[in-house]
Amino acid sequence: NAGVMQNPRHLVRRRGQEARLRCSPMKGHSHVYWYRQLPEEGLKFMVYLQKENIIDESGMPKERFSAEFPKEGPSILRIQQVVRGDSAAYFCASSRDRGKTQYFGPGTRLLVL
Amino acid sequence: DQQVKQNSPSLSVQEGRISILNCDYTNSMFDYFLWYKKYPAEGPTFLISISSIKDKNEDGRFTVFLNKSAKHLSLHIVPSQPGDSAVYFCAASASGNQFYFGTGTSLTVIP
Repeated sequence: NAGVMQNPRHLVRRRGQEARLRCSPMKGHSHVYWYRQLPEEGLKFMVYLQKENIIDESGMPKERFSAEFPKEGPSILRIQQVVRGDSAAYFCASSRDRGKTQYFGPGTRLLVL
Repeated sequence: DQQVKQNSPSLSVQEGRISILNCDYTNSMFDYFLWYKKYPAEGPTFLISISSIKDKNEDGRFTVFLNKSAKHLSLHIVPSQPGDSAVYFCAASASGNQFYFGTGTSLTVIP
């Protein structure tokens, strides 16, 4: 009965490097959501994916950020050429169906030096 | 544009008393609401949900109330326990594509 898994839990990158965050949804869940939480703020929606499809990416910055959820394997949130402002906690959530309760992973804390 | 607002950043309650956490929203299309609890360095944990066809949902010590006309929901915890000390987020969804989260209320239950 594993919950949503995210790795790494902590990631340190220098400015200009790439960050790859992974999320494995709960068993039986095919809907994945990525959120970002900046210090002292609430969670902000970034992107919603179903297997092999991006359903809604309205919350994701147009540049440097991309997400995928392949047929096999975890969902990946990729941040290219990271900047200090990308430092945040990134949470992944999954749900069984669209609009249903989302269950969150423990998050990846990204620190950009 | 903050569509979901939690105007109280913090709340302190004595153990055994009732904790009431409030949440207001602006989008009348929201039809599904959830409360999450979050401990430091962990992901949010789902607590309780309510759909817009109901005005109350209860699960053990947790009850969520929805007032659609006022665009307001609240979470009642009774009796409050020290282990309930955490940050509580409310979230709302219209189409199911994304949930909008409030900024959270930090609850401290004093033994």
